[in-house]
Amino acid sequence: DAGVIQSPRHEVTEMGQEVTLRCKPISGHNSLFWYRQTMMRGLELLIYFNNNVPIDDSGMPEDRFSAKMPNASFSTLKIQPSEPRDSAVYFCASSWTSTNEKLFFGSGTQLSVL
Amino acid sequence: AQSVSQHNHHVILSEAASLELGCNYSYGGTVNLFWYVQYPGQHLQLLLKYFSGDPLVKGIKGFEAEFIKSKFSFNLRKPSVQWSDTAEYFCAVNARGSQGNLIFGKGTKLSVKP
Repeated sequence: DAGVIQSPRHEVTEMGQEVTLRCKPISGHNSLFWYRQTMMRGLELLIYFNNNVPIDDSGMPEDRFSAKMPNASFSTLKIQPSEPRDSAVYFCASSWTSTNEKLFFGSGTQLSVL
Repeated sequence: AQSVSQHNHHVILSEAASLELGCNYSYGGTVNLFWYVQYPGQHLQLLLKYFSGDPLVKGIKGFEAEFIKSKFSFNLRKPSVQWSDTAEYFCAVNARGSQGNLIFGKGTKLSVKP
């Protein structure tokens, strides 16, 4: 298995533009997590899905952020409109819900909003 | 609500020095505890975990951690660090039986001088 796959690896955009981050979890995993990593706040959980259903989105900072999981093999995190303070590394992770022993992380998307 | 506190933001050691990174958590119930490591330019990966049983947990690469319930602590240790241990280390916790929502500390950056 290729692991959790995120795209793009790097994204540079201008303030006000829409940004879409993509994630493909490990096949067979039924939980998916979106995290944001910044120097100031560390790793923050934004939202997580169980069996494609959003379970907890309390970490989503504002209405500008939205996440979807249309099927078990794909999820998106969208920011519209983007702002400079959204600049961060966004990680996607997946796991088996039943055991929740271990999260498998993707390589992250480095987002820079100018 | 759960929270995780890592005491040190940046630790600098010489090779062969001993390491202890502090981690305290806040939660009234039973928890699972984790240490994740992020090597430069790589994604997070699991170093070790504690679910139950022996409170002294051994992980990969010579790392270990001790769960002290009375202190709500799960400190990470290594007797003799190597230059290759240079990385950022994250302590994490989730409520036993939960279906996700792994809460991370802000991380401790370890720099090992050769």
